[in-house]
Formats: sequence, C-alpha cells, structure tokens
Amino acid sequence: NAGVTQTPKFQVLKTGQSMTLQCAQDMNHNSMYWYRQDPGMGLRLIYYSASEGTTDKGEVPNGYNVSRLNKREFSLRLESAAPSQTSVYFCASSEAVGDTQYFGPGTRLTVL
Amino acid sequence: AQSVAQPEDQVNVAEGNPLTVKCTYSVSGNPYLFWYVQYPNRGLQFLLKYITGDNLVKGSYGFEAEFNKSQTSFHLKKPSALVSDSALYFCAVRDQSNYQLIWGAGTKLIIKP
Repeated sequence: NAGVTQTPKFQVLKTGQSMTLQCAQDMNHNSMYWYRQDPGMGLRLIYYSASEGTTDKGEVPNGYNVSRLNKREFSLRLESAAPSQTSVYFCASSEAVGDTQYFGPGTRLTVL
Repeated sequence: AQSVAQPEDQVNVAEGNPLTVKCTYSVSGNPYLFWYVQYPNRGLQFLLKYITGDNLVKGSYGFEAEFNKSQTSFHLKKPSALVSDSALYFCAVRDQSNYQLIWGAGTKLIIKP
C-alpha cells in the first residue's frame, strides 16, 4: 500500500499563476485534509472533506479551492498564487474526522 | 478555547539519556491526544494516541506518553534516546466541537552523540 501520495513534490510559480495539487489515498478512508506548514506555526488546516461529496473550510481557506473527486482523491487548487502561499502543503486522510490522520510526503511550493 | 501548547521550541538530549517532550492541552470533556514525528523533508508520521484507559500509552519506535488529567499534560517520553530520534515532534488534541485536530507548534528534538 502506498498510503497517501501527493504530486508534485516541488513547484515554483510566479505570482498570479494557478496550479492544482493532487492527493490520493489507498486506505479506503472517508476523510481527507489539506494543511499548510510554515516555520514556527505548526500545521494549519486549509480545507477538509469529511466524506465523499462534502468539503468544508478549515482555519485558512482564503485563496484556495478544493475538490473531492472521489473517495480516493482530494485536490487543492490555487487560482491566483501569491507569495504568501509559499509553504509546504500536506494532504492527510483518516477513517473518519477526529481519527488518526495519515500524511503524504508533502509539496514544497514557492511563489515568486 | 480549546488549545494545545508545546512549551519548548527545542530540546537537546545526549544519546542514551532519557528524553521528554512536553505537551499541555485545554479542551472541554475527555481529550483525544496524539503525538506525531516529522523527519526532515518528510510528512508527519503517527507515533501514538490516548483516547481512554491506561494513562501510559506505548507507541512506535520505543516512545511512550503519559496522560495526566490533573496537570492537563501529555508528555512524550523515551527511556534511552537515539541519534536517529532527532526530528520535529508535534502534539495534537481533538477539538470536541468539530472533531478537528488542534496542533501544537512543534518541538525540535536534537540528540547529540
């Protein structure tokens, strides 16, 4: 089992460009999450999907959109990237909201 | 407000010595508590969790954590540190209103040979 996979691993964007971060899990989990990690700030939840067909905002949703494509896949889209979105992005999944979360390897995004 | 705190940004321990990484929390009701580890340039890995039962929880890689309700703490411990334990450690508590995890800022653990 691959667990949680994320693509790409690295990305450099110019201000105003758009991109989509992809995430997939093969653990048959119901819930999926997108976090960003910035130095000294721990993890901040951007969006989550409690189950297939639902999405909800987390702590820092502005500037992002998400799509729960099916039970396995949960994508994060930056429509118009800003330097403040330079960060490391992690996708995670769990059996249900509040259960143990399992993380992907992360995407390191730089916005110039 | 529900919260979790890791009071130490960095902990330095000599190899072979016991280690403790501290975590305190504030939640209503019974807490669900988690510890994760992050090695450089990697995702977070689950170490252990407390939901109910025995106050001493054993987890991966020889780590354990002690739940103390009166002190609202959930400190991570290991009897004998290894250089390979050097990493960033995160404590998290489940928000009892929306079931999301509230994350601490992380503690960098450095084990010196």
